[in-house]
Amino acid sequence: DGGITQSPKYLFRKEGQNVTLSCEQNLNHDAMYWYRQDPGQGLRLIYYSQIVNDFQKGDIAEGYSVSREKKESFPLTVTSAQKNPTAFYLCASSIGGPGEQYFGPGTRLTVT
Amino acid sequence: AQKVTQAQTEISVVEKEDVTLDCVYETRDTTYYLFWYKQPPSGELVFLIRRNSFDEQNEISGRYSWNFQKSTSSFNFTITASQVVDSAVYFCALSVWTGTASKLTFGTGTRLQVTL
Repeated sequence: DGGITQSPKYLFRKEGQNVTLSCEQNLNHDAMYWYRQDPGQGLRLIYYSQIVNDFQKGDIAEGYSVSREKKESFPLTVTSAQKNPTAFYLCASSIGGPGEQYFGPGTRLTVT
Repeated sequence: AQKVTQAQTEISVVEKEDVTLDCVYETRDTTYYLFWYKQPPSGELVFLIRRNSFDEQNEISGRYSWNFQKSTSSFNFTITASQVVDSAVYFCALSVWTGTASKLTFGTGTRLQVTL
């Protein structure tokens, strides 16, 4: 079964802790993306990677970090520097170029 | 900069009614791509359609149809004979291919509620 997996589905953390969200895809896609969704809003791009070992900041990268050591994996770390980390995080992948992006099921992060 | 506007925040219809979701976009690029995604209550975004700026042909897929009009910068989505399973948030999105990256700009979404 090809697709994108994100784990865990729900994540709870205390303020001041870093937390890493997992994103894995077996679609053989080159490009991967991380988005954040807040209630009543559209998705906003955090980071994206067009190829292994390379990634770029999106529109709201402050307080986040990523790595792309393998084609299949694009983990996102929400650091303690992120002022308002509670949100729904979605990972996506695409074949690259202007192709459509396919999304994982998302991780709902709550920081208290 | 790109911008996508979905002015309808929420729409409620009774099953079997037709419903149109509006999408207006802004871009200075002549080559761009438009998308519609569905987000059911489970949260995962489901890809519905992609159109490029050179193809203004309308498309129909079952009960779904899309009307792309460059003259009005609109890419509207119509569901014919709506069903309860169509209840979801629908997002319109725009991307511009820079040659090295393609980033989606999303609208704020339209929540569709279909009741019996």
